[in-house]
Amino acid sequence: NAGVTQTPKFRILKIGQSMTLQCTQDMNHNYMYWYRQDPGMGLKLIYYSVGAGITDKGEVPNGYNVSRSTTEDFPLRLELAAPSQTSVYFCASRTSMGGEQFFGPGTRLTVL
Amino acid sequence: GDSVTQMEGPVTLSEEAFLTINCTYTATGYPSLFWYVQYPGEGLQLLLKATKADDKGSNKGFEATYRKETTSFHLEKGSVQVSDSAVYFCARSEGSNYQLIWGAGTKLIIKP
Repeated sequence: NAGVTQTPKFRILKIGQSMTLQCTQDMNHNYMYWYRQDPGMGLKLIYYSVGAGITDKGEVPNGYNVSRSTTEDFPLRLELAAPSQTSVYFCASRTSMGGEQFFGPGTRLTVL
Repeated sequence: GDSVTQMEGPVTLSEEAFLTINCTYTATGYPSLFWYVQYPGEGLQLLLKATKADDKGSNKGFEATYRKETTSFHLEKGSVQVSDSAVYFCARSEGSNYQLIWGAGTKLIIKP
C-alpha cells in the first residue's frame, strides 16, 4: 500500500491564481482531512469528509473548497490564492474505528 | 476554549539524556490522547496513544500516561538518540467525527 499520497510536493503561485492540491489514499478509509501547518504552529483543520459525497468545514475553511466523489480522492481547491495561504498542507485519512490518522508527506505552497 | 498546550521548543539535549515534553489539555468529557512525530521533510506519524484514564501508551522507547486528574499526557524517554530529533505534536480527539485538536508542536534537537 502506498498509504496517503499528495501532489505536488512544492508549488509557487502568484496572487489570484488557482490550483488544486491532490490527495489519494489506498486504505479504503472513510474519513479524510485537510490541514494547514504554518511555521511554529500546530495543524489547523481546513475541511474534512466522512465518506464519498459528504464534506464539512473545519476551523479555517475560508478561501478553500473540497469535493469527495470517490472514497480514494479528496482534492483541495484554492480559487484565488492569497499570501495568507502560504503554508504546508497535509492530507490525512483514518478508518471509521479508532482515532489514528495517517498523513501524506505534505505540499509546500508559496503565494507571492 | 478547548485546547492542547505543549511546552515551547526547541528542546536541546545531549545523546542519552532523559526527555520530558509536557502536554496538557482542556476538554469536556474524556478524549483520546495522541503523540505524533514529524521528522524533517516528512508528514506526521503516530508515535503513541491512550484512550482512557491511566492508560500508558508506549513505542520506540517513548512513553506517555493519560492523567485525568492533571489533564496531562507528558511524553518521556529514558535515553534519547540523535535519530529522535524531530518535532513532536500532542493532540486530543474531539467530537463524534474524531477530529483532532493539536498542540503547537515541540522541536527536539539531540546533539551527539
